[in-house]
Amino acid sequence: GQNIDQPTEMTATEGAIVQINCTYQTSGFNGLFWYQQHAGEAPTFLSYNVLDGLEEKGRFSSFLSRSKGYSYLLLKELQMKDSASYLCAVRGYSGAGSYQLTFGKGTKLSVIP
Amino acid sequence: DAGVIQSPRHEVTEMGQEVTLRCKPISGHDYLFWYRQTMMRGLELLIYFNNNVPIDDSGMPEDRFSAKMPNASFSTLKIQPSEPRDSAVYFCASSPRGAGGTDTQYFGPGTRLTVL
Repeated sequence: GQNIDQPTEMTATEGAIVQINCTYQTSGFNGLFWYQQHAGEAPTFLSYNVLDGLEEKGRFSSFLSRSKGYSYLLLKELQMKDSASYLCAVRGYSGAGSYQLTFGKGTKLSVIP
Repeated sequence: DAGVIQSPRHEVTEMGQEVTLRCKPISGHDYLFWYRQTMMRGLELLIYFNNNVPIDDSGMPEDRFSAKMPNASFSTLKIQPSEPRDSAVYFCASSPRGAGGTDTQYFGPGTRLTVL
C-alpha cells in the first residue's frame, strides 16, 4: 500500500519562498504529482516527477529523491492567490493489477501580506 | 474543449434515499476515476475505469456504492441507501492514460453531497 505524509498547514509572507515537504512509502513507485486545490474547487495539476532531481516550471519547482521517499514543492515570489491546499500524490502499484494515485491529505498554505 | 463535467454540483438528501452522481469525462480520455474527499480522510480513490471497464474498485467503501460506465462519455456513481457518513465532495477525473508517462488526471468541479 501507500502512505503519504505532508504538513497540515503552513503560513508564509507575500513575496517570500516556501517549501512544502512530502514523504511517502509505496510499492511500485511510478511517479509523484503535486496538485493545487483552492477552497471549494477541484484539484489542478502542478507538477510531475518520476526521476530524481528538480523540475522547474515558472515560480513553482518540485524535487524528488526516490531513495529517500521524499519530495518537496517550492513556491517562489509568493502571491496572495497562492493561498490554497497543495496535495502530494504518489502513483504506485495497487496490488489489484493496476497503478493508481494515492493522495496525501494536503498542506493548507496561507499567504499573508 | 470542455473539461470534466459533473452533476449535480450540490445534493442534499435524507438518510436512506438513493443518490446518483453523474460524470462526463473529457472526450478522448480512456480513464475515468471517482474520488471522495473529506476533511478527515482527504482525497480517496473509489473506483476507476479503463475504456468503460471497471479496473479497480477496491476503494468502494461497501455494497451501498456502485458505479457504472455504459459508454465512453458517461459514468454514474450511485449510493443506495445513503447515510450521513457519506457526506463528502465526490470528484470525477479523467486521464488519457492511467499509468506511465506524464499523463495527469483532470478533475471535474465535484458534487458536494450532504446526507441528513
